[in-house]
Amino acid sequence: AQSVAQPEDQVNVAEGNPLTVKCTYSVSGNPYLFWYVQYPNRGLQFLLKYITGDNLVKGSYGFEAEFNKSQTSFHLKKPSALVSDSALYFCAVREPSGGYNKLIFGAGTRLAVHP
Amino acid sequence: KAGVTQTPRYLIKTRGQQVTLSCSPISGHRSVSWYQQTPGQGLQFLFEYFSETQRNKGNFPGRFSGRQFSNSRSEMNVSTLELGDSALYLCASSGGEVQNTEAFFGQGTRLTVV
Repeated sequence: AQSVAQPEDQVNVAEGNPLTVKCTYSVSGNPYLFWYVQYPNRGLQFLLKYITGDNLVKGSYGFEAEFNKSQTSFHLKKPSALVSDSALYFCAVREPSGGYNKLIFGAGTRLAVHP
Repeated sequence: KAGVTQTPRYLIKTRGQQVTLSCSPISGHRSVSWYQQTPGQGLQFLFEYFSETQRNKGNFPGRFSGRQFSNSRSEMNVSTLELGDSALYLCASSGGEVQNTEAFFGQGTRLTVV
C-alpha cells in the first residue's frame, strides 16, 4: 500500500535562512507527488507538484521541491524563510493508475520561522 | 474564479444525530473528494465522486456516505454521530479527467460532536 512519511513533527528555522521539510514515499510505479500548506483554521493550499520531468520543481511563494527516485524522497525547500511561512505542511502522493483523485497524506510538519 | 465552497463552516451536533455537509467545487471541476482531518489520525480520505458516481472510497464505516449532483456539488452525510467524528471535514475539487492535476481544497467544515 502506498504511504507517505514526514519524519519531523516540527522544523524550526530563523528568518532569512534556508529551510527544508522532508518527505519520503512508498508507492508502486511512478508517483504523483504534491505539497500543500495549511494555515490555522483554513483548508489546504496547493504549493507544487511533481508528475514527471525535471527533478527540481518550482512552486508558489518561492518554494521548490526536489524529487529523488532512488531515495524515494520529495523534500520541500526554500532558499530564504519568512516568518509568514510558519504553517503546517503536508506532503501527499497519488497513485498514477487507479488512484484517481485519492491523495495519501503524510502526518504533516509544523514549520516555525523565528524573527 | 470562485474557489471551493464548503457550508456550513462550523457545526455542533449531539451524539446519535446525523449531519449533512455541503461542497461546491470550482466551476468546471467534475471530481469532488472528501477528507477527514483529526489531530490523532491526520488527513484521511473518505471518498471521491466524479460525474455523480463514487469512484473511490476510503476505510470508513457505512455511517459515512456521500453523493454528487448533476452540477457537481457534493454532500456528505454522517449518521448516528459519535464523539470520535469530531473533526475538520475538507472537500477538494479537481478536473478529474487526468490524474496529474492538483486538487483545490475548501476551508472545511469544523464538526463538533457533544
